[in-house]
Amino acid sequence: LAKTTQPISMDSYEGQEVNITCSHNNIATNDYITWYQQFPSQGPRFIIQGYKTKVTNEVASLFIPADRKSSTLSLPRVSLSDTAVYYCLVGDPQAPDMRFGAGTRLTVKP
Amino acid sequence: NAGVTQTPKFRVLKTGQSMTLLCAQDMNHEYMYWYRQDPGMGLRLIHYSVGEGTTAKGEVPDGYNVSRLKKQNFLLGLESAAPSQTSVYFCASSYPPRQVGYEQYFGPGTRLTVT
Repeated sequence: LAKTTQPISMDSYEGQEVNITCSHNNIATNDYITWYQQFPSQGPRFIIQGYKTKVTNEVASLFIPADRKSSTLSLPRVSLSDTAVYYCLVGDPQAPDMRFGAGTRLTVKP
Repeated sequence: NAGVTQTPKFRVLKTGQSMTLLCAQDMNHEYMYWYRQDPGMGLRLIHYSVGEGTTAKGEVPDGYNVSRLKKQNFLLGLESAAPSQTSVYFCASSYPPRQVGYEQYFGPGTRLTVT
């Protein structure tokens, strides 16, 4: 399983764009990159998933360079309600035992 | 749809007691999972199931047993609780990853304290 490295914490202000980078140097050919969001006292919630280049949905964008050794989750114009822990997972979608790391604790300030 | 529900929400056990956590999902998902989350840490996979009647070990299976007698239910058992099992337990479910991607739907969690 690919090991991931994320910043432990990040601070931002309302209305700013936030970019959280995840390093995964030993990513395998079949691995996808998936991001989850977790609010206090709740279970994680899926945000976005990608394999290469760029993926965008109504919540976030995911940028993956050609070598796929890192990825960046981009949250446009964050609000206070985006304060949460964000997890980067890397693994083969056909293998059900993907691993959650410690995540990045994002704090959005007014 | 209720999604993924967990019973109970809170529980306090004494060392050596046993209990069963119930997870139910109404999304007709094949895959179900049990995780534990300790304070300040990410989730760790305990056991998972890829279909009715099947179970498999995850990253931290010791001290736990599971059963998947019905597709919609996944039970997590602690036969002899230990203080090290104090944690928040999350259940999740998903479609088989190869069909529609790998999105797990999580329940609200069960906060377990073992004294």
